[in-house]
Amino acid sequence: GENVEQHPSTLSVQEGDSAVIKCTYSDSASNYFPWYKQELGKRPQLIIDIRSNVGEKKDQRIAVTLNKTAKHFSLHITETQPEDSAVYFCAAIIQGAQKLVFGQGTRLTINP
Amino acid sequence: GAVVSQHPSRVICKSGTSVKIECRSLDFQATTMFWYRQFPKQSLMLMATSNEGSKATYEQGVEKDKFLINHASLTLSTLTVTSAHPEDSSFYICSAGTENQPQHFGDGTRLSIL
Repeated sequence: GENVEQHPSTLSVQEGDSAVIKCTYSDSASNYFPWYKQELGKRPQLIIDIRSNVGEKKDQRIAVTLNKTAKHFSLHITETQPEDSAVYFCAAIIQGAQKLVFGQGTRLTINP
Repeated sequence: GAVVSQHPSRVICKSGTSVKIECRSLDFQATTMFWYRQFPKQSLMLMATSNEGSKATYEQGVEKDKFLINHASLTLSTLTVTSAHPEDSSFYICSAGTENQPQHFGDGTRLSIL
């Protein structure tokens, strides 16, 4: 079955700097890759996603890149702000299967 | 706004009590819903897949007689933790989506067994 590895487990950056979180997946059939942000005690919220027919997607300060050949995808947050502090999860899925496989999560801390 | 509603948000009860958690999809029909458990500082662990009109599919290591799942309609799935004990204390969260809509999560239920 699918296995998703996420790195780093913790990340601390200065406010205004960029943050990058990386994930790899094992099943080449996976074709949908969402990213979720979870604040303490709250539900994960979808922040951006990418499908396998696209190499990059951007939404304001957030971007995701996908390398199908290498089977890895990354989340990029630019101009980080204190409210970006949270745990971020990547996930992979075979579209139609709906069953998400999550990475281990990255605790991102933005230092003022 | 939220597309998946989960209740209750918090439960505190005595050991041996059974606890029911509801997960509802709003404005869309979900033939499949998912139940996760999350321990502090850990990732979401899939417990089971709830299938409308049929038996749930449980992940390896999850006791189906302990965690009863019912998906009686296209908008409602329930998870019942039977005879709960302190080790069952955790954050339980459901998700729902469709082939054309990404998975969205409920607000979660924090279960504390005394």
